[in-house]
Amino acid sequence: AQRVTQPEKLLSVFKGAPVELKCNYSYSGSPELFWYVQYSRQRLQLLLRHISRESIKGFTADLNKGETSFHLKKPFAQEEDSAMYYCALGPKIIFGKGTRLHILP
Amino acid sequence: DTGVSQNPRHKITKRGQNVTFRCDPISEHNRLYWYRQTLGQGPEFLTYFQNEAQLEKSRLLSDRFSAERPKGSFSTLEIQRTEQGDSAMYLCASSLDLGGAYTEAFFGQGTRLTVV
Repeated sequence: AQRVTQPEKLLSVFKGAPVELKCNYSYSGSPELFWYVQYSRQRLQLLLRHISRESIKGFTADLNKGETSFHLKKPFAQEEDSAMYYCALGPKIIFGKGTRLHILP
Repeated sequence: DTGVSQNPRHKITKRGQNVTFRCDPISEHNRLYWYRQTLGQGPEFLTYFQNEAQLEKSRLLSDRFSAERPKGSFSTLEIQRTEQGDSAMYLCASSLDLGGAYTEAFFGQGTRLTVV
C-alpha cells in the first residue's frame, strides 16, 4: 500500500534560517515523489519532483530509498515561503497530511 | 483559461439530497484524479481514471460515491443521499501519462460542498 507521512503539522522558522520539511513514504514499487505547495487562497501547485532533480524557488529534495525519505530543504527561508506544503507519492498520487511553514520576520 | 476547471465552485445542499460535480481537465491529459480535502488535512485520494477507465477507487469511499469519465474528457463525481460528514472541498486534478513517465498533476480550484 502507498503511504506518505509528514510528521510536522506546523514548522516556524525565522527569515534567513534553513528550512527542512520532512517526508517519509511507504511503497513496494518504484516510487515517484513530489512536493506540492498551496499558498493562501490559491490552488495546489507542483513545487518539484524527484525525477527532475531541479531546484525551484531555492528548494531541493533528495530521494533516499534506504531511509524511504524525500525531505524538502531550503538554505535560507524567505517570508514568501509561508504556505502549506504537501509531500505526494505516485503513481496514483497519494498526499501526506501537510506541513504549514510559517516564516517569522 | 486552459487549466483544470471545476463546477460549481460552491454547493450547499440538504442532508439526503444528491449532488453532482463536474471537472474539465486540461484537454490533452489522459489521467484524471478526484480528491476530498477537509480542514487541516491533506487531499484524500478518492479515485482516478486513465482515459475513460476507472483504475482505482478508494476503499474509504462508500457506495454513495460514484465517478464517471464517459468519453475520456470531462468527469463527474456524484454523491447520493448526502450526509453532514460529506462536507468538504472536492478537488480534481489531471496529468499526462506517457506510458510510465508522466507529467505533474494540475489541480482545479475545487468545489466546496456544505451539507446542512
